[in-house]
Amino acid sequence: DAKTTQPPSMDCAEGRAANLPCNHSTISGNEYVYWYRQIHSQGPQYIIHGLKNNETNEMASLIITEDRKSSTLILPHATLRDTAVYYCIAKARGSNYKLTFGKGTLLTVNP
Amino acid sequence: NAGVTQTPKFRILKIGQSMTLQCTQDMNHNYMYWYRQDPGMGLKLIYYSVGAGITDKGEVPNGYNVSRSTTEDFPLRLELAAPSQTSVYFCASSPSSGNSNYGYTFGSGTRLTVV
Repeated sequence: DAKTTQPPSMDCAEGRAANLPCNHSTISGNEYVYWYRQIHSQGPQYIIHGLKNNETNEMASLIITEDRKSSTLILPHATLRDTAVYYCIAKARGSNYKLTFGKGTLLTVNP
Repeated sequence: NAGVTQTPKFRILKIGQSMTLQCTQDMNHNYMYWYRQDPGMGLKLIYYSVGAGITDKGEVPNGYNVSRSTTEDFPLRLELAAPSQTSVYFCASSPSSGNSNYGYTFGSGTRLTVV
């Protein structure tokens, strides 16, 4: 799996968009970018994943650069309940589904 | 639809005791996993299973055992508990290759303290 790099922490004002960056410069062509988050003391929660096209669901949007070396998770209107650690993971689809979690980004949404 | 259910939620063990952490899922997922998370750290994979009767080691399997007799259940056994096993344990499941959504579903965790 390609190594991913995320800032250790970020702040965001409530109601504003939260943009969480992730670098994955060694990502290979068959590796997807997955985002999970972990709210304090809870199990991680799947958010979104993508290969090269931008993706959007009810939780967030995922923007992947054309060269696929970086991506941004966007929470369009952050709320206090979005305060969590966000993990970016590069993973190839196939028979091995083991996800490796790094330290992620602690997003703090402030009132 | 309950998702992934873990029991117990909390447990205190004495050194040398044994216990089984239970995990069950009702989504008919073939893949199941056990992770541990130490305070302030990321998740580390203990064991995983790709289907009933098939299990394999993750990165930190020592001191643990698993079994997978059914699709739904994936219990984690701690033998001879040690203080180093004090952690939060998460069970997760995911669909197999035929499904386009590869998201994991995690349980709410078991907080284990070994004293």
